[in-house]
Amino acid sequence: AQSVTQPDIHITVSEGASLELRCNYSYGATPYLFWYVQSPGQGLQLLLKYFSGDTLVQGIKGFEAEFKRSQSSFNLRKPSVHWSDAAEYFCAVGAGYGGATNKLIFGTGTLLAVQP
Amino acid sequence: DSGVTQTPKHLITATGQRVTLRCSPRSGDLSVYWYQQSLDQGLQFLIQYYNGEERAKGNILERFSAQQFPDLHSELNLSSLELGDSALYFCASSVVAVGSGANVLTFGAGSRLTVL
Repeated sequence: AQSVTQPDIHITVSEGASLELRCNYSYGATPYLFWYVQSPGQGLQLLLKYFSGDTLVQGIKGFEAEFKRSQSSFNLRKPSVHWSDAAEYFCAVGAGYGGATNKLIFGTGTLLAVQP
Repeated sequence: DSGVTQTPKHLITATGQRVTLRCSPRSGDLSVYWYQQSLDQGLQFLIQYYNGEERAKGNILERFSAQQFPDLHSELNLSSLELGDSALYFCASSVVAVGSGANVLTFGAGSRLTVL
C-alpha cells in the first residue's frame, strides 16, 4: 500500500538558516509527489509537485524539492528561511494510478518553527 | 482564496447530533474530495466524488455520508456525533477524475467541528 513518512514531527530553525524537510514514500509505480503547506487556521496550499522529468523541482515561496528514486525520497529545501515560513508542511503521494481514484495520501506533517 | 468554498467555518455541537458540511469546488473542477484532520489521525482521506458519482472511499465511518449534487457542490453529513469526531474537515477539488496520479488537489479553508 502507498504510504508517506515524514520522520521529523517538529523542526526549529533560525531565520536566515537553510532548511531541509524529509519525506520518504512507498509506492509501487512511478510516484506523483507533492508538498503542501498549512499555515495556522488555513487550508493546505500547494508548494510544488513532481510528476516526471527533472528531479529537482521549483515551487512557490523559494522552495525546491528533489526526487531521489533510489532513496524513495522527496525532500523539501529552502536556502534561507523567513519568519513567515513557520507553518506545518505535508508531503503527499498521488495514489491510484490507472485505477478509479487519484486521491492523495499524506504524511503526518512537519511543524516548522522559525527563531528570530 | 483557493476557489474552494467551505461552510460553515466553525461549528460547535453536542454528542449525538447531526451536522452537514458544505463544499463548493473550484469552477470547472468535477472531482471533490473530503479529508479529516485530527491531532491523533493526521490527514485522513474520507471519500471522493466525480461528477456526482462516488469514486473512492477511505476511512469514512458508517455514521458519515456524503453526496455530490448536479451543480457539483458536495455535502458531508456527520451523524450520531461523538467527541472523537471533533476535527478539521477539508474539502478539495480537482479537474482530473481517474487514471492518473498526476492530479493537483486544491483545498478549501476547512470546517472546524467541535463536539461537546
